[in-house]
Amino acid sequence: GENVEQHPSTLSVQEGDSAVIKCTYSDSASNYFPWYKQELGKGPQLIIDIRSNVGEKKDQRIAVTLNKTAKHFSLHITETQPEDSAVYFCAASMHTGGFKTIFGAGTRLFVKA
Amino acid sequence: DADVTQTPRNRITKTGKRIMLECSQTKGHDRMYWYRQDPGLGLRLIYYSFDVKDINKGEISDGYSVSRQAQAKFSLSLESAIPNQTALYFCATSDKIPGQGLGELFFGEGSRLTVL
Repeated sequence: GENVEQHPSTLSVQEGDSAVIKCTYSDSASNYFPWYKQELGKGPQLIIDIRSNVGEKKDQRIAVTLNKTAKHFSLHITETQPEDSAVYFCAASMHTGGFKTIFGAGTRLFVKA
Repeated sequence: DADVTQTPRNRITKTGKRIMLECSQTKGHDRMYWYRQDPGLGLRLIYYSFDVKDINKGEISDGYSVSRQAQAKFSLSLESAIPNQTALYFCATSDKIPGQGLGELFFGEGSRLTVL
């Protein structure tokens, strides 16, 4: 079955620096790759997603890149701010052969002011 | 008011007790899910339902059962709770997007369960 690995598990950056979180997936049938942000005491919330027919997507300070050949995708946050501090989860989904969304283990991001 | 509401938000119980976690949504979505979150393990799918008469097992369904009482309500039961079911549980919903398969998940705020 699908397996999603996420690195690093913890990331600490200075305010204004960039942060990069990387994920790899195992099943080439996966075709949807969302990223969720979880703030303390809250449920995860989608911040950006990408489908397998696109290599890169950007939304203001966040961007996601996808390399289907290598089966990896990354989240890039530029000009980090203290409110970016949270746990970030990547996930890989497919809609053939039944429903499957597999999450990575999460990255705890600290942005130091 | 939250679109996806979970009750209770916190619960402490003893081994062997029956526990029900409830979820209701006002988003009008047909698809509902129960996930479990453990530190270092991410979110793992327990059960999911694509409509009122549809129930499907996820990755870790053993020891759990669900009931889809209505389009807006999806409950998770632990028939006989054990300590390794101590976790944070999330309900989620998603809409069906024609031609695009799976889409965004909308999560509740979680139910923290402790089994002593």
